[in-house]
Amino acid sequence: EADIYQTPRYLVIGTGKKITLECSQTMGHDKMYWYQQDPGMELHLIHYSYGVNSTEKGDLSSESTVSRIRTEHFPLTLESARPSHTSQYLCASSVGAGAKNIQYFGAGTRLSVL
Amino acid sequence: GQSLEQPSEVTAVEGAIVQINCTYQTSGFYGLSWYQQHDGGAPTFLSYNALDGLEETGRFSSFLSRSDSYGYLLLQELQMKDSASYFCAVQTTNAGKSTFGDGTTLTVKP
Repeated sequence: EADIYQTPRYLVIGTGKKITLECSQTMGHDKMYWYQQDPGMELHLIHYSYGVNSTEKGDLSSESTVSRIRTEHFPLTLESARPSHTSQYLCASSVGAGAKNIQYFGAGTRLSVL
Repeated sequence: GQSLEQPSEVTAVEGAIVQINCTYQTSGFYGLSWYQQHDGGAPTFLSYNALDGLEETGRFSSFLSRSDSYGYLLLQELQMKDSASYFCAVQTTNAGKSTFGDGTTLTVKP
C-alpha cells in the first residue's frame, strides 16, 4: 500500500498570491516527482528529485520551484499564481534499482487561480 | 524530443477484450509502463515491460516489442469498473524519469 499525501486537495486563490502545494510520502522513496495534468489530458513532468538536495526541472517549463530538504517531503511553490496555473498537480514517488521504476501517485491538488 | 502515441478513445462492451496500443519515440528506453486513472483519481500502476514479450497480471496483459518501439495493454473480461483512462509511460533514464502518453479513455458499456 502506497502512502503519499498531498495537501490541499482543492485550492481556489486570487492572482498574484504565493502558494505552496505539499507532498509527503512515508515509504522512504528516494525519487519524487511533480506532474501537471489538465482534465482528460496527459501528465507533464514539471520537477523531479533523485534524493535530498537534488532537484531538476522536467520536460514542461514551469514557473514553480521545488525543494527537497527531507526525503519524505517535496513541496512545490508558486511565487505569484496566475490563471494559466489553473490545473491539477500530481505528486509521485518511486523506488527502483535501474529499470522498473514504479511510480506511486498522490490524490492530487486541484488548483484554480481566479 | 520524446513522443508517445496512443488512441484517444476506445469503447467496448462488458465481457469483451480490448487492446490499447502505444508507440513511442524517445531518447532513452528502460521500460514501458501502464497506468490506470479513474476520473478524478490518481494514476495507479498496472504493468511494466522492460524486455520483449508478454507480461500477464490477472485480466490485464502487456506486450512490448523494442525493435518496433511498440507496446500494448490487453484487457480481458471487461467490467464496468474498467472504464477509465489508461496511460503508457516510457522510462527514459536509469534513474526513473518517465514520459507519459496522452492517455486513452476506455468506456465499457453494458
